[in-house]
Amino acid sequence: DVKVTQSSRYLVKRTGEKVFLECVQDMDHENMFWYRQDPGLGLRLIYFSYDVKMKEKGDIPEGYSVSREKKERFSLILESASTNQTSMYLCASSFLPGFYNEQFFGPGTRLTVL
Amino acid sequence: AQKITQTQPGMFVQEKEAVTLDCTYDTSDPSYGLFWYKQPSSGEMIFLIYQGSYDQQNATEGRYSLNFQKARKSANLVISASQLGDSAMYFCAMREGRLGMGSQGNLIFGKGTKLSVKP
Repeated sequence: DVKVTQSSRYLVKRTGEKVFLECVQDMDHENMFWYRQDPGLGLRLIYFSYDVKMKEKGDIPEGYSVSREKKERFSLILESASTNQTSMYLCASSFLPGFYNEQFFGPGTRLTVL
Repeated sequence: AQKITQTQPGMFVQEKEAVTLDCTYDTSDPSYGLFWYKQPSSGEMIFLIYQGSYDQQNATEGRYSLNFQKARKSANLVISASQLGDSAMYFCAMREGRLGMGSQGNLIFGKGTKLSVKP
């Protein structure tokens, strides 16, 4: 079974802190994604990566950066956390290419910024 | 304009009955794929079913089926014989465009429908 794990299920940080969210997948997937999920807004893509050291902006990249130094690991970084970044963050991975290939999701990290 | 529209923020269904969750999509690309995911209260997104734009038949996976009406651009999820464990958020998503030409397999999600199954 594909396994996507995220470093924390719940995280509480203070405004201005630098926050790292880690995601690891064990199926040698090329693609990895970071989403945030807010009530009434669905999932919105922050960043994605289709290869090591490659990254592309999604729909809402402002205030975030990412790092992919190894194929299995994709990190989301909040350089200076703000209260409007309080959200659920979901990581996903998928094979490339393949039109059919679904994305496999991690359990999510619920981040609260005080 | 929204690419994926789920018009039902919440729905109730009686246990053992069938339920249809609506999804309409907007794309001008002839090649696209449609996905449904389930998200229980635990938070993890679970893939349910896939329909390709060129598939001739409606997709089915166990109790899940996709009512694909291409001309109407709708891809409704039908859950037969609802169970209490079906209570969750359900998201419709679309992948459009040819792979390798920018999208890299990105999914566009709707805002979701919260399904509650009553005993």
